[in-house]
Amino acid sequence: DTGVSQDPRHKITKRGQNVTFRCDPISEHNRLYWYRQTLGQGPEFLTYFQNEAQLEKSRLLSDRFSAERPKGSFSTLEIQRTEQGDSAMYLCASTPPGTGSGNTIYFGEGSWLTVV
Amino acid sequence: GENVEQHPSTLSVQEGDSAVIKCTYSDSASNYFPWYKQELGKRPQLIIDIRSNVGEKKDQRIAVTLNKTAKHFSLHITETQPEDSAVYFCAASMDVGKLVFGQGTRLTINP
Repeated sequence: DTGVSQDPRHKITKRGQNVTFRCDPISEHNRLYWYRQTLGQGPEFLTYFQNEAQLEKSRLLSDRFSAERPKGSFSTLEIQRTEQGDSAMYLCASTPPGTGSGNTIYFGEGSWLTVV
Repeated sequence: GENVEQHPSTLSVQEGDSAVIKCTYSDSASNYFPWYKQELGKRPQLIIDIRSNVGEKKDQRIAVTLNKTAKHFSLHITETQPEDSAVYFCAASMDVGKLVFGQGTRLTINP
């Protein structure tokens, strides 16, 4: 499968613990995005990278959240001192270079986080 | 920033009938309008998209219309089937990747 890959798919953690999610985009996709989706809501943009540069961060991304894409390939999203409100599905997505009319965004299967 | 409103939040139709879901957006600079279908616990799946240089696009039983002047776009599903039951999201963007999603419509097809 050459789609966007996320790991782990499910994570249950205790409040206050740190968690890290990994995303492997489709190869040669230079843009990588993180979204968060809570139950009953649409996905919300968190941040995105073009190659290794983090170009934009949403106000939703509090200081406890940090994302990296050190070599412009895979990315990690770390949540420190998790809170129950962090429980959600974290979606990673990627897009190829350029803004051609055929371009679209490809979502991964998501990483479910439950904070207990 | 962009704001997308989606209606209705739930929709129930008889199998074989048509379903229409409507969205409005606030930023006139948005030029990309995708629709996603999401089944429980799964990722959003793109079902159709439209760019601002066209007013309508159709793919088999699915069509999307766009009114740039009024800043609204709609999803039309004809001849609905039970497998069309899911949550549908519209989105708007100036950038293919940075999407602003609507609140979702839970579509139920009754046999």
